[in-house]
Amino acid sequence: QVQLVQSGPEVKKPGASVKVSCKASGYTFTDYGFYWVRQAPGQGLEWMGWISAYIGNTNYAQKFQGRVTMTTDTSTSTAYMDLRSLRSDDTAVYYCARAPKSGYDISPFDYWGQGTLVTVSS
Amino acid sequence: QSALTQPRSVSGSPGQSVTISCTGTSSDVGGYNYVSWHQQHPGKAPKLMIYDVNKRPSGVPDRFSGSKSGNTASLTISGLQAEDEADYYCSSYAGTYASWVFGGGTKLTVL
Repeated sequence: QVQLVQSGPEVKKPGASVKVSCKASGYTFTDYGFYWVRQAPGQGLEWMGWISAYIGNTNYAQKFQGRVTMTTDTSTSTAYMDLRSLRSDDTAVYYCARAPKSGYDISPFDYWGQGTLVTVSS
Repeated sequence: QSALTQPRSVSGSPGQSVTISCTGTSSDVGGYNYVSWHQQHPGKAPKLMIYDVNKRPSGVPDRFSGSKSGNTASLTISGLQAEDEADYYCSSYAGTYASWVFGGGTKLTVL
């Protein structure tokens, strides 16, 4: 069965960086990609971007361009989301979700990780 | 890309039907038949309930149905059950290379 298992909670100071991981199992890693989505406390879902696990190309939401980097490691079937220059309003639960491997394919968020709480506080 | 517009809350009694709306623009909801709905219980990850406007993933009860007219999509839940109480989020393909936009979420209360 498809599983996406994310790394544990993080506490960071403003200005720092955080790297969240998402380990996939139950399917061929390079046949898909990953979406990253975040949810601030008591707020809605926000799409952050997409990465192909096949060739590594990406598309980031304009809001995060310059601050986010998404990568994958095919040797460990793991996706990563690196967010820099953290601010207090980056405090949120960050989710990975399975995505199509091509940016031209349109596929919903069919499997989600359990979420990773990132707290930014001085 | 602006968030899609959903009502903050809806409610219904067990056995009744409720409909949640999701309003976007011609650049997202109105432009593509790629609207999804997700259910989220407190402290849990979202779960896909409807995709491509009106398709149900395996295992989702047929009490859940989706539709779209113009720039507005809708999720209807019939025969409400206590376990349907949750937050519901719509999402739409946003027209550019794997990009999506979400609604602000609707809290469903089963009275």
